[in-house]
Amino acid sequence: DAGITQSPRHKVTETGTPVTLRCHQTENHRYMYWYRQDPGHGLRLIHYSYGVKDTDKGEVSDGYSVSRSKTEDFLLTLESATSSQTSVYFCATTDRGRGMNTEAFFGQGTRLTVV
Amino acid sequence: GESVGLHLPTLSVQEGDNSIINCAYSNSASDYFIWYKQESGKGPQFIIDIRSNMDKRQGQRVTVLLNKTVKHLSLQIAATQPGDSAVYFCAETPDSNYQLIWGAGTKLIIKP
Repeated sequence: DAGITQSPRHKVTETGTPVTLRCHQTENHRYMYWYRQDPGHGLRLIHYSYGVKDTDKGEVSDGYSVSRSKTEDFLLTLESATSSQTSVYFCATTDRGRGMNTEAFFGQGTRLTVV
Repeated sequence: GESVGLHLPTLSVQEGDNSIINCAYSNSASDYFIWYKQESGKGPQFIIDIRSNMDKRQGQRVTVLLNKTVKHLSLQIAATQPGDSAVYFCAETPDSNYQLIWGAGTKLIIKP
């Protein structure tokens, strides 16, 4: 899995609690992404990062925040978890720039259940 | 690993036959397309890519065809094997940004 580690792998949390998911990479890739995967939707981009402390919103960013204080770590935080955020979360990295190869490497996912 | 029980279009193919998985993309400005494979319990894995200035690209046992006129992409897998069982996603990148736009996926089932 190209040196991408997600933690935790499984999480059950209660509605209203904060949750942080971590993505750690050893590839020194500049770009990192957080996706969620739900039945019938494929993968949807939550947030992405194009460098340390440089992040931007994806198509489903409401209720999520991210931080990237160093190249290898990208954190996804649910400030106050809701049942609609029950999903499988994937982190991905690329070394792409515009016009370059955009092949992304994915972690193995985190299954989050909000009860 | 993680998996998602997706209610997906499904393609069943006899082992040894060729598989063709189709994808209609949405943005006529997209200039780069990728096929990913996702096995049960794992994250997506890159298979093959193609740029909009090409209409065909071949890899090992896989071929991607691009028809820009009708915004259609297909993945052909030759001599399908049990290990090809997975969900296959196409993804596109419009020229204007870095984000991949993903299709909903197709589940490929191999019949022995």
